[in-house]
Amino acid sequence: DQQVKQNSPSLSVQEGRISILNCDYTNSMFDYFLWYKKYPAEGPTFLISISSIKDKNEDGRFTVFLNKSAKHLSLHIVPSQPGDSAVYFCAASAGATGGYQKVTFGIGTKLQVIP
Amino acid sequence: GAGVSQSPSNKVTEKGKDVELRCDPISGHTALYWYRQSLGQGLEFLIYFQGNSAPDKSGLPSDRFSAERTGGSVSTLTIQRTQQEDSAVYLCASSFQGAYYGYTFGSGTRLTVV
Repeated sequence: DQQVKQNSPSLSVQEGRISILNCDYTNSMFDYFLWYKKYPAEGPTFLISISSIKDKNEDGRFTVFLNKSAKHLSLHIVPSQPGDSAVYFCAASAGATGGYQKVTFGIGTKLQVIP
Repeated sequence: GAGVSQSPSNKVTEKGKDVELRCDPISGHTALYWYRQSLGQGLEFLIYFQGNSAPDKSGLPSDRFSAERTGGSVSTLTIQRTQQEDSAVYLCASSFQGAYYGYTFGSGTRLTVV
């Protein structure tokens, strides 16, 4: 039972345009969401996160939007750069009180930014 | 160290043999996690350590899998009597606290069981 779903296995975008990566979740207890980026032969690296008390969080070219009623979040990259080509994992956890929360990951979306 | 270090980076083993995977977390990180990624799958949680204890080992797929952590630092994931379905990339991550701050992952150990 996949609680975090990334339905698009891959996405191709022209350099300079917007990349939009989507993620849906089924567990209504999730209240903290993260995006990780992974290059080949490397471990995932933390990119950006959002708490369920917010609907938007921005960090430079990266913005994450959260729609709790739809159980949907998205990562926007503007403008997209060739170095953004990687696999992007959506992740979620429940119980945002600090300390330990198990993080559940999606299967990832492979983004290719075409120069 | 500067990052999370995992060894070996690649391991090919024969079916039925035991393997040990090592993780050296970032110094001072009290939390340590093991995940694995099988081909075409997402990151699958295996076990979480806080210090030397494992409050959550719910993701270990069978009793052939075990893990320990000593001195609040290095962790070893052991797979006994390996099977072909154990083939995956095994990722270790560490953090100061929980998910709030994001995990720092190692580069993983690619295990191939032949």
